[in-house]
Amino acid sequence: DQQVKQNSPSLSVQEGRISILNCDYTNSMFDYFLWYKKYPAEGPTFLISISSIKDKNEDGRFTVFLNKSAKHLSLHIVPSQPGDSAVYFCAASEGNAGNMLTFGGGTRLMVKP
Amino acid sequence: DVKVTQSSRYLVKRTGEKVFLECVQDMDHENMFWYRQDPGLGLRLIYFSYDVKMKEKGDIPEGYSVSREKKERFSLILESASTNQTSMYLCASRDPGHPGVKLFFGSGTQLSVL
Repeated sequence: DQQVKQNSPSLSVQEGRISILNCDYTNSMFDYFLWYKKYPAEGPTFLISISSIKDKNEDGRFTVFLNKSAKHLSLHIVPSQPGDSAVYFCAASEGNAGNMLTFGGGTRLMVKP
Repeated sequence: DVKVTQSSRYLVKRTGEKVFLECVQDMDHENMFWYRQDPGLGLRLIYFSYDVKMKEKGDIPEGYSVSREKKERFSLILESASTNQTSMYLCASRDPGHPGVKLFFGSGTQLSVL
């Protein structure tokens, strides 16, 4: 049973618009969340993270929102650019010093020029 | 920047062969990991290692073993390859002393078992 789920396998948006990628989790012990981006033929690279003591973290065009009561987080990309086209993985762990990351299935984002 | 290098980008093996996937990191990280990536399933942890000669099973260790004789190198071994082990294999490393659970990944090895 997947503890971290990304229910949308793909998402297509127009350049300049907002991209919203969603992630749900079931384990209430998760308290640290990360987003990774993966281009074809490359390994995933860290994008942004959030601790459960916050409900929002922003880094440039990327913002992650956390709704603990709903066990839901989302990644917003504004404005979207063609170079953002990649697969995005949501991941969660119990504590930010833990060694185990549980990943979601990924969402393929396509940003059209 | 951390560099995690996986020895092969593509591998084609036959059913029953013993397969070695090699991974080397250059940042003296204590923790290393092996994941496999399959469509719709995301990344699933096979094995990880806290330090040299230490290993722990992940979520899907069956059919795999690992070796960590030196800090910088973590090998994944498929004892007898099967077609259901066709997948993208990703190695990662982490500095446990660094805040956050941020992993650094290699570029991956696409393994096909025929």
